Amino acid sequence: KNQVEQSPQSLIILEGKNCTLQCNYTVSPFSNLRWYKQDTGRGPVSLTIMTFSENTKSNGRYTATLDADTKQSSLHITASQLSDSASYICVVSAKQAGTALIFGKGTTLSVSS
Amino acid sequence: KAGVTQTPRYLIKTRGQQVTLSCSPISGHRSVSWYQQTPGQGLQFLFEYFSETQRNKGNFPGRFSGRQFSNSRSEMNVSTLELGDSALYLCASSWGGSDYNEQFFGPGTRLTVL
Repeated sequence: KNQVEQSPQSLIILEGKNCTLQCNYTVSPFSNLRWYKQDTGRGPVSLTIMTFSENTKSNGRYTATLDADTKQSSLHITASQLSDSASYICVVSAKQAGTALIFGKGTTLSVSS
Repeated sequence: KAGVTQTPRYLIKTRGQQVTLSCSPISGHRSVSWYQQTPGQGLQFLFEYFSETQRNKGNFPGRFSGRQFSNSRSEMNVSTLELGDSALYLCASSWGGSDYNEQFFGPGTRLTVL
């Protein structure tokens, strides 16, 4: 069964600190993996999209890594800011006809001052 | 370039009624996908339309339906509303199919079923 699991479910960190969010998937065959940021009451915003051949992708202070062999991805946030407080959602696309994207349930990050 | 717009933003209905939600994609985008988001289940895929054809469908009952018009605007309809249909409904557009292309989400329609 195609699944995406994220950990931790929630996280609280101090402003300025770094953090890493995890995503494990069992989706097969794999096409691409995405990380989204969703602020409360708003639609998700794409942070990165990685295909099978990409190991790392950065978007400002956000760096995503992908290990297609172990089917794991991480999202590293550097020097966190209060505006980073949001839900971070990992999404995996399977390479098959008429596929749907499979969403993780997200990690809720709270950055405090 | 204008983003994805959804109307209405908020909606209150009673059980048994039906509802139609609207989504206008980014200009030039041909794919529109619909999602249901609830606190317990997270984001769940409803369906995707590409050039007026349903390209893929999630695991939702037939009460949930959609369509796409020639200008790429899309509507989704939920008939015989149930309490469990209360959720944030998000639409997302992309230039090509959602499986390979970056999606841009709208702000969502918050549906409350009483």
